[in-house]
Parts: sequence; structure tokens; C-alpha cells
Amino acid sequence: GQQLNQSPQSMFIQEGEDVSMNCTSSSIFNTWLWYKQDPGEGPVLLIALYKAGELTSNGRLTAQFGITRKDSFLNISASIPSDVGIYFCAGQGSGTYKYIFGTGTRLKVLA
Amino acid sequence: NAGVMQNPRHLVRRRGQEARLRCSPMKGHSHVYWYRQLPEEGLKFMVYLQKENIIDESGMPKERFSAEFPKEGPSILRIQQVVRGDSAAYFCASSPGTSFEQFFGPGTRLTVL
Repeated sequence: GQQLNQSPQSMFIQEGEDVSMNCTSSSIFNTWLWYKQDPGEGPVLLIALYKAGELTSNGRLTAQFGITRKDSFLNISASIPSDVGIYFCAGQGSGTYKYIFGTGTRLKVLA
Repeated sequence: NAGVMQNPRHLVRRRGQEARLRCSPMKGHSHVYWYRQLPEEGLKFMVYLQKENIIDESGMPKERFSAEFPKEGPSILRIQQVVRGDSAAYFCASSPGTSFEQFFGPGTRLTVL
């Protein structure tokens, strides 16, 4: 099935560093969602984006809906150990209820 | 306000047995989605249901798998005659409508021996 490409696949960073990850698609989306999944748990919704160019923050997290509507970005500032986990993007196209999920970015924070 | 609830959290079945996974959506949510996740992979859509209706089951295998969302009670994902390849985490998500965010439950981890 169709999946979004997330980059990077995984990353090790030092505590306190900023993190950037992105999600790209060949299709245009009307909605982008960003989730975080901890081991053994379900994905938790972090940020929802509904308009091209939209920039939305949730604490240390900031996400942007790309102008082309084919990509989205998530930034985490001043990372802390509990930011460890897998981050998924999900996109929803026009006239559909389905969300297509990205392949995930695995984040590991070194204290 | 309780979130999406799934049970059991862990389920072990032998090959050939049946697996029943239950999902209670968030209060006020009438749309339920089931996803499957293999280790180290993303979530794959299986089926979308509204109360008493299957809207889209295009992601669900044609054989052995079925889903329902009755008027009363939780949504059920049923896997008959399980095989080892059915071992995975199954997540349920709910939303108040199709143009809204989906909220996920904690998942059921199915292991087929």
C-alpha cells in the first residue's frame, strides 16, 4: 500500500539539541497529522495541520504544512530523554477519509 | 474523558484458533478505524466502520478477517483460523467524523504460536 517517506529513518542526538524531521509524498494532502509512539503503546497525536503553509506549535514541538501540500516538517527544540520514540506523519487527501502513514523516524536521545 | 480503549492488550493464540479484538471509541466518536502494525513498520489501514456499517474494508484480507461495529457495544476485529503471519499489533482509532483527527487506542498485540 501507499506510504509516505519520512526522513531521517532514525537519529541519535544529544540532549538539548534541536531535531528536524520531514515527510514527503507524491500526492497532495489536505491534512497532516504528527504522532509519537512509545514502545508497546499506541500513537499519540502531537499536532494537526489543516492549511498549506500553516505553522503550529505544541510546547517544544513545531510542525509546518508545506506550501506544495506534498510535505510536512516537525521540529523538536531542546530535546530531552523522554522525546525518545518513533514519530509518524499521516496525510489525508481530498475527498477521502483514509490517512496514509509515514514509515516513521526513530529518535534516540543521548543524555 | 476516557480515550480509546482496546482489549485485550496482549493475546496469544495457537494456529487455527480464533482471535477477537475489541475497541471502544472515545465518547462521542462514531467512526472507527482498524490498523495493523508489524515490528519496525508503520501503520497499515485495514477497515473503516461507522455504527452498523462497514464503509471501507479495502485494507483487510478477504479471507479469515472480519470487522463489525454494532449499534451497542465495542467494535470487534475477528480473525479466524489464525496463522503465524497474523502476529502483529492491531490498533483501533476513532474520530467524530471523517475530516477530523484520529485518536488511537493502546493496541492489542497478537502472538500466534
